[in-house]
Amino acid sequence: AQTVTQSQPEMSVQEAETVTLSCTYDTSESDYYLFWYKQPPSRQMILVIRQEAYKQQNATENRFSVNFQKAAKSFSLKISDSQLGDAAMYFCAYRRSVQGAQKLVFGQGTRLTINP
Amino acid sequence: GAVVSQHPSRVICKSGTSVKIECRSLDFQATTMFWYRQFPKQSLMLMATSNEGSKATYEQGVEKDKFLINHASLTLSTLTVTSAHPEDSSFYICSAAPGLAWKTQYFGPGTRLLVL
Repeated sequence: AQTVTQSQPEMSVQEAETVTLSCTYDTSESDYYLFWYKQPPSRQMILVIRQEAYKQQNATENRFSVNFQKAAKSFSLKISDSQLGDAAMYFCAYRRSVQGAQKLVFGQGTRLTINP
Repeated sequence: GAVVSQHPSRVICKSGTSVKIECRSLDFQATTMFWYRQFPKQSLMLMATSNEGSKATYEQGVEKDKFLINHASLTLSTLTVTSAHPEDSSFYICSAAPGLAWKTQYFGPGTRLLVL
């Protein structure tokens, strides 16, 4: 079964510092997509970054980057120069295929606190 | 681009009544729409997947007769919670994807349902 595990329920970081959120997943597929979503207090899910498994290059979006280790099935998110607005729940997600249909499987989430 | 709206954002109803939640893709055609449920401090749980013009596919454990889903057009999906009870109180989130082989889901802002 495809699962997504986020082993850090909570993380905190000083403003302007760098923080890394961990995510591991289990899959038997060779081609898939991985995502990090942010859910601020408003509860609106916001796409932070997407990684396509067939691409060896790690995805980057401004201050957000991933460390994608396909063999280890690891997909961590690095936030550089943390800002107060980065405080949120972060969910790692995996796009799985079930009988031709695509679904997202989410991890348990990591609550990130930014200390001023 | 890729904006998804949900209406209402919050609803309070009496036990035994039915509640309809609308999900609209505002600037793209959503071949596939998804409905999630999120309990406090928990991750998103997929309830069902709907493709335009087809019957929804429900996840295991989700009551089809309790949660009616209609995806009548490429921009609108509705979730009706029938004969709502207090245990149905939750945060419901929809998402939409352009195409069956989508690369990204776009999420609505969510609907908070409280059943008294």
